[in-house]
Amino acid sequence: LAKTTQPISMDSYEGQEVNITCSHNNIATNDYITWYQQFPSQGPRFIIQGYKTKVTNEVASLFIPADRKSSTLSLPRVSLSDTAVYYCLVGGPYGNNRLAFGKGNQVVVIP
Amino acid sequence: DTGVSQDPRHKITKRGQNVTFRCDPISEHNRLYWYRQTLGQGPEFLTYFQNEAQLEKSRLLSDRFSAERPKGSFSTLEIQRTEQGDSAMYLCASSFPAGGRDTGELFFGEGSRLTVL
Repeated sequence: LAKTTQPISMDSYEGQEVNITCSHNNIATNDYITWYQQFPSQGPRFIIQGYKTKVTNEVASLFIPADRKSSTLSLPRVSLSDTAVYYCLVGGPYGNNRLAFGKGNQVVVIP
Repeated sequence: DTGVSQDPRHKITKRGQNVTFRCDPISEHNRLYWYRQTLGQGPEFLTYFQNEAQLEKSRLLSDRFSAERPKGSFSTLEIQRTEQGDSAMYLCASSFPAGGRDTGELFFGEGSRLTVL
C-alpha cells in the first residue's frame, strides 16, 4: 500500500479556507486518493475521493496535480465543528480493503 | 437504516478475560471490516469479510483474536486472554451494497472502546 505523509496538526480561524496537504510519492497507477474525517470517539467519515485533477462535492474540494504524488483537501469557510482529524489514504477503489490511515492531520478551528 | 452499529460501546475487563464485540453493518453491504485504533493513531486494519467469507487478516490479528460473520450479516470479534496492550477502540465498517457499485467508501460505526485493567 502506498504510504501517505501529512502534517501532524494545523490551526485555522473560523470562516477561513483550510487546505490540507498529503504526500503520496509511491502512488500506484490504479490507486485513488480518499479523505476521511474523524471526530473524537467516533468512527471516520468519508469526505471525498478522486483520481486526478479536481473533484468537488458539497463539503470539500480535492486537488490532485498531474503527477499525483500529492493531493490537497480544501475545506471552504471552516467552522468550529470542522475541528477533527483528517486522514488521507491511497488505494484502489475496488477492494480497497486494507486502507492504511496513518496518523492523520489534526485540524483545530479557532474562533 | 441507521448505519453501522457496534455493541458494546464501552467494555472494561481484567487482563486474561475474554471479550466479544458485535457489529451490525448497513444492511445489504457485502463487505465488513474490523479496525483497531489506539490513542493518537489512525485506524489499523485487522480483517475483512466479503459476505461470510473472511478474505484477509492482518498480521496484527494474533491467534487470540477471532472474527466471524456466520450469515454474512452481523459480525463478532472475540479477543481471548486479553492483555493490556489490547486496550483500544475497535471499529467496524461496511461497504459495497449488493448489486451496487463499489465506490470504495467505508461506512464506520462509532466503535467499541476496550479497556483492559
